[in-house]
Amino acid sequence: AQSVTQPDIHITVSEGASLELRCNYSYGATPYLFWYVQSPGQGLQLLLKYFSGDTLVQGIKGFEAEFKRSQSSFNLRKPSVHWSDAAEYFCAVGPNFGNEKLTFGTGTRLTIIP
Amino acid sequence: KAGVTQTPRYLIKTRGQQVTLSCSPISGHRSVSWYQQTPGQGLQFLFEYFSETQRNKGNFPGRFSGRQFSNSRSEMNVSTLELGDSALYLCASSLIFQETQYFGPGTRLLVL
Repeated sequence: AQSVTQPDIHITVSEGASLELRCNYSYGATPYLFWYVQSPGQGLQLLLKYFSGDTLVQGIKGFEAEFKRSQSSFNLRKPSVHWSDAAEYFCAVGPNFGNEKLTFGTGTRLTIIP
Repeated sequence: KAGVTQTPRYLIKTRGQQVTLSCSPISGHRSVSWYQQTPGQGLQFLFEYFSETQRNKGNFPGRFSGRQFSNSRSEMNVSTLELGDSALYLCASSLIFQETQYFGPGTRLLVL
């Protein structure tokens, strides 16, 4: 069965600092991978996705993620965070070539300090 | 293009009642999925509909049901509400099944 692990429950960074959110997945085939962001009381907004091809994926709001098959990872990065980036971030895997659902990690809450 | 819309946005019900939530997908999208989000369990998949057929179902009791109409709009129903059903219910649509999912703002259900 597919699964996603986000090892960091909560991360605090200073405004202007770089950011990396970790995501590890378990999947039996080539995965479809996603990062979503959720602001308080809101739905999920798609930041970026990886289906195939270039392992470095660019998304909205200046985010990027790198797919590393050997490490089963899909970490999200941003070179310089803004206060508006404070939110919860979810990594997700699937569905792909099967009847499988989209499986989410438990999320990482990002706090930005001035 | 308008995004996914969900109605109502907020609901308060009492135990034992039933509730129906509605989701209108992005125009042209034919697949609709539902998720439950709670602080304890996180995001859990409920079911997915495509062309009025349930294609996939999560591990929820039979009190949770859904349907999809010919215009791709979807409803989910929860009967005999329990306190533990209090959650944010999210709807997501995609062009076809197994494609990128776009989420609505959710319906927050509080069961008293």
